[in-house]
Amino acid sequence: QKEVEQNSGPLSVPEGAIASLNCTYSDRGSQSFFWYRQYSGKSPELIMFIYSNGDKEDGRFTAQLNKASQYVSLLIRDSQPSDSATYLCAVNKGGSTLGRLYFGRGTQLTVWP
Amino acid sequence: DVKVTQSSRYLVKRTGEKVFLECVQDMDHENMFWYRQDPGLGLRLIYFSYDVKMKEKGDIPEGYSVSREKKERFSLILESASTNQTSMYLCASSLQGRYNEKLFFGSGTQLSVL
Repeated sequence: QKEVEQNSGPLSVPEGAIASLNCTYSDRGSQSFFWYRQYSGKSPELIMFIYSNGDKEDGRFTAQLNKASQYVSLLIRDSQPSDSATYLCAVNKGGSTLGRLYFGRGTQLTVWP
Repeated sequence: DVKVTQSSRYLVKRTGEKVFLECVQDMDHENMFWYRQDPGLGLRLIYFSYDVKMKEKGDIPEGYSVSREKKERFSLILESASTNQTSMYLCASSLQGRYNEKLFFGSGTQLSVL
């Protein structure tokens, strides 16, 4: 079983819609959860992190965490063509303080005008 | 802002050459990482280091070695480059400790081995 799995996509939404990106993880002890955005040909950049159950909002982005279901999601409201990118979910490993993160393979999002 | 600098954006090498990829970070981060990224395979961890002269194997260490002589610098070495090591190589750094795992990436080195 992979440490982190993401819905494979690609995901295509019209401009102005809500894009929903999902991620599940295998280690019940994981405590830190991250979403990275990666434009084509560029390196990943951190856009959201969440540590507690529930929702965390930052502008048009909302991260949702459900530790009981081992599920983390990213919602992008009012999607824009500039949001078109690959989104990577990353999770730490419970019991480890070394700081390694485990990444999903990413979901490619296209927002069409 | 954290800055992670990789020495080359594009690199072309011959099979069998010894290749050095350099990475420097300027925020006093304890942890440094080397990943490779290939289409369809995502980010795969090669090696990481949590202190000077310390290293830990990641998921795909074969054919690679690393060196960390100073806190700010982490080098990836391909002892004898092979065509299957053609890839995008990404360096990253982070602080240590729980809830400090935010990774900051360099701009990447696209390595082609011919």
